[in-house]
Amino acid sequence: SQQGEEDPQALSIQEGENATMNCSYKTSINNLQWYRQNSGRGLVHLILIRSNEREKHSGRLRVTLDTSKKSSSLLITASRAADTASYFCATDATGANNLFFGTGTRLTVIP
Amino acid sequence: DAGITQSPRHKVTETGTPVTLRCHQTENHRYMYWYRQDPGHGLRLIHYSYGVKDTDKGEVSDGYSVSRSKTEDFLLTLESATSSQTSVYFCAIRGRTDTQYFGPGTRLTVL
Repeated sequence: SQQGEEDPQALSIQEGENATMNCSYKTSINNLQWYRQNSGRGLVHLILIRSNEREKHSGRLRVTLDTSKKSSSLLITASRAADTASYFCATDATGANNLFFGTGTRLTVIP
Repeated sequence: DAGITQSPRHKVTETGTPVTLRCHQTENHRYMYWYRQDPGHGLRLIHYSYGVKDTDKGEVSDGYSVSRSKTEDFLLTLESATSSQTSVYFCAIRGRTDTQYFGPGTRLTVL
């Protein structure tokens, strides 16, 4: 069964607006990772946040992690049309040797 | 992209035929993974390897086998393909910082 579940399933915003995606998971984790996938392409790693971290930034990306609520959020600021893609969270569960992926959030940024 | 290639990139085959997908990496990473991606399911782990000749099952391993005789190659075999195995297959490696890097994918259609 999947660890991560993203919310919303789909999000449509205007260029320049911020986009927020949420991820909830079920068990304890070593880290949580966010990936982007453009249509028909492979997954691209965006950011990794470890269980002892609460917030991390990378360019226009901001990720938060709340291990007490077993949830994470990905914020993309000042969105661009090129940000249109599906975004997945993946959890590296404690004791596991692999990632568990959610079903993703499909983001559409309208120019 | 961690030097990951997959072959073939596209394949159409018939039910009951054997199929082998190849994943090749150039950077000597210990962990390699095979996932399948289907609409509504995100990515699901099929098998993974933690070294030459060391493999383990994932969430959806039934109908699949793997082999790793060299560090750089991880093979996924469908012994007798079924229509339910029509999917996009991704190979991944685990990098030094626990990040997984994905190959470009193989689109498999079983008629």
